[in-house]
Amino acid sequence: NAGVTQTPKFQVLKTGQSMTLQCAQDMNHNSMYWYRQDPGMGLRLIYYSASEGTTDKGEVPNGYNVSRLNKREFSLRLESAAPSQTSVYFCASSEAKYGRGPNTEAFFGQGTRLTVV
Amino acid sequence: AQKVTQAQTEISVVEKEDVTLDCVYETRDTTYYLFWYKQPPSGELVFLIRRNSFDEQNEISGRYSWNFQKSTSSFNFTITASQVVDSAVYFCALSEGSGGSYIPTFGRGTSLIVHP
Repeated sequence: NAGVTQTPKFQVLKTGQSMTLQCAQDMNHNSMYWYRQDPGMGLRLIYYSASEGTTDKGEVPNGYNVSRLNKREFSLRLESAAPSQTSVYFCASSEAKYGRGPNTEAFFGQGTRLTVV
Repeated sequence: AQKVTQAQTEISVVEKEDVTLDCVYETRDTTYYLFWYKQPPSGELVFLIRRNSFDEQNEISGRYSWNFQKSTSSFNFTITASQVVDSAVYFCALSEGSGGSYIPTFGRGTSLIVHP
């Protein structure tokens, strides 16, 4: 099993360019997440999808859009990249169920290191 | 306010020392989950342990042990006889059930440096 696969692993963009980060999981998980990691800030939630067909904003959604294409895939789009979006991006998935659970840990992709110049 | 506080930004020890990484969380939910992850220099996030709010038993796995105390809202992680390979950033995370969705919220991480 591949788990969570993210592409690309590295990307350099010029300010104002757009791009889409792709994420796919093969664990049949309902929930998927996009986080960004910045030095000293831990992982901050950008957007999440609790189930196929639904998406919601997280802590830092500005400048991003997402699409839950199907149960497996959850993409993150930067419409007009800014230097402040230079970061490491992680996609994750988990079997989080509504109500009392059970709830599993989140499984993470390998990350995308994005630099906006 | 942070829901997960890891007050130690960086810890430096010498090999074979014991080290404890602190994690304090905040939640009003009665059902929640706590996690620890390791991020080695290679950058991937490695899951270490999950605990639910109804299970306060401490856990030991080799040199790793975890102390979950609801009374102090803490979920601390101890590495016994540390090794250079333990050098990494360690994240504590909380997953709450309010609103029906369990979304992991992470602390800012503790960077552990183990010197030979």
